[in-house]
Amino acid sequence: GIQVEQSPPDLILQEGANSTLRCNFSDSVNNLQWFHQNPWGQLINLFYIPSGTKQNGRLSATTVATERYSLLYISSSQTTDSGVYFCAVLANSNSGYALNFGKGTSLLVTP
Amino acid sequence: KAGVTQTPRYLIKTRGQQVTLSCSPISGHRSVSWYQQTPGQGLQFLFEYFSETQRNKGNFPGRFSGRQFSNSRSEMNVSTLELGDSALYLCASSLLQGSTEAFFGQGTRLTVV
Repeated sequence: GIQVEQSPPDLILQEGANSTLRCNFSDSVNNLQWFHQNPWGQLINLFYIPSGTKQNGRLSATTVATERYSLLYISSSQTTDSGVYFCAVLANSNSGYALNFGKGTSLLVTP
Repeated sequence: KAGVTQTPRYLIKTRGQQVTLSCSPISGHRSVSWYQQTPGQGLQFLFEYFSETQRNKGNFPGRFSGRQFSNSRSEMNVSTLELGDSALYLCASSLLQGSTEAFFGQGTRLTVV
């Protein structure tokens, strides 16, 4: 199956700093999503971005499908940004809907 | 509109028992997929249902099963529970199969003792 690698695995930032999270995937994809997992376990949708660039407030994302990677940018980080960020991809397939997740980037933003 | 609803939120079961988890997708969404999250294995795909048919299945033993009803609500069942089945079970709904955005419920945290 498709491999999804996220880096870095862990990140500690001071409040106000910027960061870039990376997601590499091993095959062409139909769907790529970024999620933030809250402390209660729910996956919160950040971006649905199979290609191109999107921005939502302090967060933005870029996917370069031809080069098989996506980047999530967090600017002016806040303590509430802490948590685990997951990248998930849906491979080009007729075999149904199955997201493949990376292992996540655990982000801690300190005051 | 209401999001994806999973019940129950927490569950404690004994080894050997069986358990049924429920997922109500966003209104109008026809695809429901299930995922297991553990510290060791991360997030893994269990199965996906679309129009009451299982369209895809992950690499899990036959003790894990599911179904989808005509109103798109889905249930998953785990029989003969093992300690290793302790996990967060997440359900996602999407409008159609294929390249559409998935939305997740709050999850059911299952503890097997």
